[in-house]
Amino acid sequence: EAEVAQSPRYKITEKSQAVAFWCDPISGHATLYWYRQILGQGPELLVQFQDESVVDDSQLPKDRFSAERLKGVDSTLKIQPAELGDSAMYLCASSRAGQGGYYEQYFGPGTRLTVT
Amino acid sequence: AQSVTQLGSHVSVSEGALVLLRCNYSSSVPPYLFWYVQYPNQGLQLLLKYTTGATLVKGINGFEAEFKKSETSFHLTKPSAHMSDAAEYFCAFRAYNQGGKLIFGQGTELSVKP
Repeated sequence: EAEVAQSPRYKITEKSQAVAFWCDPISGHATLYWYRQILGQGPELLVQFQDESVVDDSQLPKDRFSAERLKGVDSTLKIQPAELGDSAMYLCASSRAGQGGYYEQYFGPGTRLTVT
Repeated sequence: AQSVTQLGSHVSVSEGALVLLRCNYSSSVPPYLFWYVQYPNQGLQLLLKYTTGATLVKGINGFEAEFKKSETSFHLTKPSAHMSDAAEYFCAFRAYNQGGKLIFGQGTELSVKP
């Protein structure tokens, strides 16, 4: 069964350092989502891609976060510089389409980030 | 504003007892509703979903949920809890035709006592 891949699974970094996460969606899935899940809370959408285009980044802290999906396949989420409050689980999900109709979102295992 | 509220951040039941996890939503348009389960340091797994049609939906692992529009609720139930059900459960909704993002509740941690 196809799965969403994420790496690394765990990352510890010092504040003010740069950090990057990678996501490889299920083959054929045009829509890719990055969610942030702070401990004890539900996931919150950071950015949504349709192919290589950003369709929603309203909750992405653009002063320090960036996301790209250059060829419309895999994606990278970057934080620079990292702050203590960025410690969280970063989840990637993918689906066949996102705008209309319903297509199930499949989640990867996540990257647990700890900023010290 | 669109939101999801899960009543009770932590629920504890005995093995074999009924599981009831509560979820209420706020949306001005018909929602799609979901329940996800998350085990420690893992991603989310879909338990069940309501999109249209029958309001009582059955999911994996013996879970089911009923969509009640008049009560704006989508509570999750399981007749008999198993030790392996211990996990974090999230209710989520997606407003129809407003993009694909999911809006999640705060989560309910389910503990199962032997």
